[in-house]
Amino acid sequence: GQNIDQPTEMTATEGAIVQINCTYQTSGFNGLFWYQQHAGEAPTFLSYNVLDGLEEKGRFSSFLSRSKGYSYLLLKELQMKDSASYLCAQLDTGRRALTFGSGTRLQVQP
Amino acid sequence: EPEVTQTPSHQVTQMGQEVILRCVPISNHLYFYWYRQILGQKVEFLVSFYNNEISEKSEIFDDQFSVERPDGSNFTLKIRSTKLEDSAMYFCASSDPSSGNTIYFGEGSWLTVV
Repeated sequence: GQNIDQPTEMTATEGAIVQINCTYQTSGFNGLFWYQQHAGEAPTFLSYNVLDGLEEKGRFSSFLSRSKGYSYLLLKELQMKDSASYLCAQLDTGRRALTFGSGTRLQVQP
Repeated sequence: EPEVTQTPSHQVTQMGQEVILRCVPISNHLYFYWYRQILGQKVEFLVSFYNNEISEKSEIFDDQFSVERPDGSNFTLKIRSTKLEDSAMYFCASSDPSSGNTIYFGEGSWLTVV
């Protein structure tokens, strides 16, 4: 199975920038997703990277390096409502199912 | 914005009972999925469904689980004889390959087995 690693918890200050890292196994890789999940709610799609580089979408950006098996999610101008878990998920070639990491619980403090 | 809808939002059932969780995927999507998330743990894939048949399933999806698309809009997950360890949030999801690989999740059905 796939092994996706991301930090368990992070804390940041309102208005600041935070980077959440994710590493994954490169074998069979076909795309990397980031989802946001508030407690007790469904994962909500944030970004999808399949090629190397940075994808920017408003306050959120996601980066991918396929050779390094590495991605990060960058959140700018943090707001209190950004307190949530951020899930890194890998899509493999020939499959439709996503393999999720354990998620990074981000706490934004005033 | 189109969304995946699920019912019920919460269900409590006794161990050994059968449970059916229902989902209405996004209308033009072709791939349907069930995932589950045990409290405090990661989201886990159960099964994917395409063209009226299972296209992929995980080790979790054993003989006690089944899926069905009984009509043109609903997609169901049946758990035949529930166990305590089936207590989890069950998420239905759908995707459309013509608009990328993004999988969209429903709000979830929280199942408690007592």
